[in-house]
Amino acid sequence: AIQLTQSPSSLSASVGDRVTITCRASQGISSALAWYQQKPGRPPKLLIYDASSLQSGVSSRFSGSGSGTEFTLTITSLQPEDLATYYCQQFYSLPHFGGGTRVELK
Amino acid sequence: QLQLQESGPGLVKPSETLSLTCNVSGGSISSSSYYWGWIRQPPGKGLEWIGSVYYGGTTFYNPSLKSRITISVDTSKNQFSLRLSSVTATDTAVYYCARPLTSVAYDAFDIWGQGTMVTVSS
Repeated sequence: AIQLTQSPSSLSASVGDRVTITCRASQGISSALAWYQQKPGRPPKLLIYDASSLQSGVSSRFSGSGSGTEFTLTITSLQPEDLATYYCQQFYSLPHFGGGTRVELK
Repeated sequence: QLQLQESGPGLVKPSETLSLTCNVSGGSISSSSYYWGWIRQPPGKGLEWIGSVYYGGTTFYNPSLKSRITISVDTSKNQFSLRLSSVTATDTAVYYCARPLTSVAYDAFDIWGQGTMVTVSS
């Protein structure tokens, strides 16, 4: 099974900061990676698919990049509503999620 | 607008079978070629994909749960279901149903139900 390792597991940032989250796959997955945002008590919300495609309706503050085994999610100019836990998911083979990154306010 | 809604018992006894249904509204489960999925999330933990079912009945499951899972689809009721047998406390979680972005076998999930909490306890 393809494993996904997210880093960091948590981070503290200030409003307006640029935030970067990394997701590493245990083997190459081409661009078959998605990013989700999850707030407490809510289902995950799809942000990015195919590693870099912005889901319809999602703020352009969010961007994704990478291919193969290393991927990043970037939030430019962090806003209070961006405080959440972020997950990556690979769909190159049977779906699997990363462990999550919690984004908190400094 | 397509919506998904999970339903089922909120409390299941250890060793028994957990049964959940996902009702699909705003669209027909059989008119679109999606692999409808189940995902779960233990309290305070991350997401775990459980398995997916095609409207025609084809399934694929998480290998770690495969021996205990049955996922089926009922096109006449526009719903799909999850059965997880021999449950233990480690199966306590919020269970989500979801629809993938496209009709390929493996994809991101863009439409989610609100989730239903299932507790395994005697």
